[in-house]
Amino acid sequence: GQNIDQPTEMTATEGAIVQINCTYQTSGFNGLFWYQQHAGEAPTFLSYNVLDGLEEKGRFSSFLSRSKGYSYLLLKELQMKDSASYLCAVRVVNGGATNKLIFGTGTLLAVQP
Amino acid sequence: EPEVTQTPSHQVTQMGQEVILRCVPISNHLYFYWYRQILGQKVEFLVSFYNNEISEKSEIFDDQFSVERPDGSNFTLKIRSTKLEDSAMYFCASEGGFYGQQPQHFGDGTRLSIL
Repeated sequence: GQNIDQPTEMTATEGAIVQINCTYQTSGFNGLFWYQQHAGEAPTFLSYNVLDGLEEKGRFSSFLSRSKGYSYLLLKELQMKDSASYLCAVRVVNGGATNKLIFGTGTLLAVQP
Repeated sequence: EPEVTQTPSHQVTQMGQEVILRCVPISNHLYFYWYRQILGQKVEFLVSFYNNEISEKSEIFDDQFSVERPDGSNFTLKIRSTKLEDSAMYFCASEGGFYGQQPQHFGDGTRLSIL
């Protein structure tokens, strides 16, 4: 089966750094994606990793270890607008032309002043 | 920046009626997807589409669902006879480039409410 785990909620302080973890057990792994989703809105792409290591993109970084089935999203210099749900999604291949995303339940991050 | 656009933003329909949700993917993208998100739950894959045919579908995507690319720009999801449990946010996504090398970009979604 396909399973993705991430914490349900986290709280952090404005200006701080927060790390959101994600573990997965999937077959046909072909990359891990992080999306941000504000309530009632669409997921917005943040970062992705196909190979092991760290990808940095401004205030956001994402790390992947395929052997451990583990990823994290690092948010630096937190701002109030970063309060949102952060979705971990694994792209899986099935031998066809397309690659679906399997999503975790999301981590609701609350940034406090 | 190019966007995926979806219409309508909100659709209210009586149970048993047919609905068509519309999407305009990013131009020159080749791979198209529909996902849904029931309120308070995770995003779930419904169906993927490439080269004018379904590439993969989930267990949710039963005979009541169909997808079509009627012209070069639109991508539609039809639910033939809606049920209460079809109430959800439906997201269209498109992906460009070669096989699995780019992220999927999501539209703003259609909120479907079945009465």
